[in-house]
Amino acid sequence: AQKITQTQPGMFVQEKEAVTLDCTYDTSDPSYGLFWYKQPSSGEMIFLIYQGSYDQQNATEGRYSLNFQKARKSANLVISASQLGDSAMYFCAMRGSRSGGSNYKLTFGKGTLLTVNP
Amino acid sequence: DAGVTQSPTHLIKTRGQQVTLRCSPKSGHDTVSWYQQALGQGPQFIFQYYEEEERQRGNFPDRFSGHQFPNYSSELNVNALWLGDSALYLCASSLRAKNIQYFGAGTRLSVL
Repeated sequence: AQKITQTQPGMFVQEKEAVTLDCTYDTSDPSYGLFWYKQPSSGEMIFLIYQGSYDQQNATEGRYSLNFQKARKSANLVISASQLGDSAMYFCAMRGSRSGGSNYKLTFGKGTLLTVNP
Repeated sequence: DAGVTQSPTHLIKTRGQQVTLRCSPKSGHDTVSWYQQALGQGPQFIFQYYEEEERQRGNFPDRFSGHQFPNYSSELNVNALWLGDSALYLCASSLRAKNIQYFGAGTRLSVL
């Protein structure tokens, strides 16, 4: 079984500063993928960044980077130069490997509500 | 390039009724997955469709059923609605060989 833990129900950050959102995971699958999604109050789940378990380098997408520490089973999201529009719920999710039977199912954490203050 | 579209956006039903939600995948995608998101929670996987067949199912009762059409669009049906079915229902599409699932804006279902 797969499990995602997000221990920060809410986070506050000043505009233009960086913020780290925590995510730890547990899985027995030999390979897996880790994702971060952003969900504004409108409800749409917006894909931000992906990290494969065998990727050698940490993923980056613009202002988003994923701090992947495999031994610690953590996949923290770092947002640099926060903007007011970054205020939203952020979900960490994982997908197992085909051989594990998990296929394309995503398992989500409970989310972290990020508030960016002006 | 149209993204994932879902209809309707909002729906109000009463207990015992049946509901059908619809989803059109992102252009070029062939796999559709459905998720239920209760208030204050992360999405929970309901099932996934590929080649018009249910390929994987989460821990949801048989009251939840679905269908995928030849054009890859999909429907989620829920029978005998009860209060606990009130949630945001999210559809996600992906290309089978790819990892990333792209989501629609969801259908917010309220059961009274």
